[in-house]
Amino acid sequence: KQEVTQIPAALSVPEGENLVLNCSFTDSAIYNLQWFRQDPGKGLTSLLLIQSSQREQTSGRLNASLDKSSGRSTLYIAASQPGDSATYLCAVCVYGQNFVFGPGTRLSVLP
Amino acid sequence: NAGVTQTPKFQVLKTGQSMTLQCAQDMNHEYMSWYRQDPGMGLRLIHYSVGAGITDQGEVPNGYNVSRSTTEDFPLRLLSAAPSQTSVYFCASRNADGTYEQYFGPGTRLTVT
Repeated sequence: KQEVTQIPAALSVPEGENLVLNCSFTDSAIYNLQWFRQDPGKGLTSLLLIQSSQREQTSGRLNASLDKSSGRSTLYIAASQPGDSATYLCAVCVYGQNFVFGPGTRLSVLP
Repeated sequence: NAGVTQTPKFQVLKTGQSMTLQCAQDMNHEYMSWYRQDPGMGLRLIHYSVGAGITDQGEVPNGYNVSRSTTEDFPLRLLSAAPSQTSVYFCASRNADGTYEQYFGPGTRLTVT
């Protein structure tokens, strides 16, 4: 059974810092991996999608990498801002179409 | 496009009551799913559908029913609400362009007393 973990569970950093969020999965037979952002009381917003054949994806200050062989993905946020404060979730799409989510990392960026 | 919409946004039920959570998407996605999100548990898959007339169970299906009569709609029914079903419910759909990118609705916050 696919299991997804995220480290750290919570992170607090001063504005301007570069930071890395980690996502690990137990079964490397994935179709893709998707990173989401969730603001308190809101739904999930897709940030980046990495196909299993890709190594990384970039969008603005965000960069996500994927290493299937080690079962790991990282989300890099450059020059963090208070508006980046949210919970970040990763989800892996297993073959057979369903997604498995990690528990999330709660990020606070302090002004 | 409105994307994925859910109604209601908030609902309070008494134990034993039934209700239907509505979900609709206007992106012509074949795959739709329902998740529940609980503190410390992440999102867990309740039911999913790969197309009209086809549904299947996810990780936590007990106490919930679904049907898919159209591509656009995927309602979730609580047959006899229990306090353990207090949660935030999210509906999602996924495109069929090969990327399998998921799109989520805004959620329904359900409290069962």
